[in-house]
Amino acid sequence: QITLKESGPTLVKPTQTLTLTCTFSGFSLTTSGVGVGWVRQPPGKALEWLALLYWDDDERYSPSLKSRLTITKDTSKNQVILTMTNMDPVDTATYYCVRRRSNVFDVWGQGTMVTVSS
Amino acid sequence: QSALTQPRSVSGSPGQSVTISCTGTSSDVGGYNYVSWYQHHPGKAPKLMIYDVSERPSGVPDRFSGSKSGNTASLTISGLQAEDEADYYCCSYAGSYTYVFGTGTTVTVL
Repeated sequence: QITLKESGPTLVKPTQTLTLTCTFSGFSLTTSGVGVGWVRQPPGKALEWLALLYWDDDERYSPSLKSRLTITKDTSKNQVILTMTNMDPVDTATYYCVRRRSNVFDVWGQGTMVTVSS
Repeated sequence: QSALTQPRSVSGSPGQSVTISCTGTSSDVGGYNYVSWYQHHPGKAPKLMIYDVSERPSGVPDRFSGSKSGNTASLTISGLQAEDEADYYCCSYAGSYTYVFGTGTTVTVL
């Protein structure tokens, strides 16, 4: 069974850096074509693709957020970590971890809500 | 890389068909046959309904179908059922291993 689970803070202050962890199981990030990444959804708004880390360690980011995002992995723990700098209230959203396979986000985590407020 | 354009809402009676459009550009929807559609019930994880424009994952009812013409992709739900009431998002490959989602459409079953 393939699962992904997000973890991280529920509340961050403006200007702080957000660190989210995706712990996955049931597949390997070293399999050709596989990627693990992040999608977010602000309250009442649309889904937004943020970043992907590919099986070959290639990193890809949303052009609009590229300067603020970093995606890394901890292979020993089957984890993918997203950091987002300079958080703002507009970054308040549910953040989803996703598996990408063959140009499809075929498995999603349940999501974690992050609120940015002082 | 702008969000793909979807109608804000569509509605239909049980048994009817509804179609949701997803308009992009030649750099995303029009340039690749990698459009997928996701069903999202509030509070739950989005669910893949269609991939590669018109392919259905196993377990997705054949009431759901996808197509594409030029820069516009479409999702059609035939024989609308109460459980189809949800938000639907398209997503397209946008080149250079990046992706873009649509603005989302709320489907209401009258």
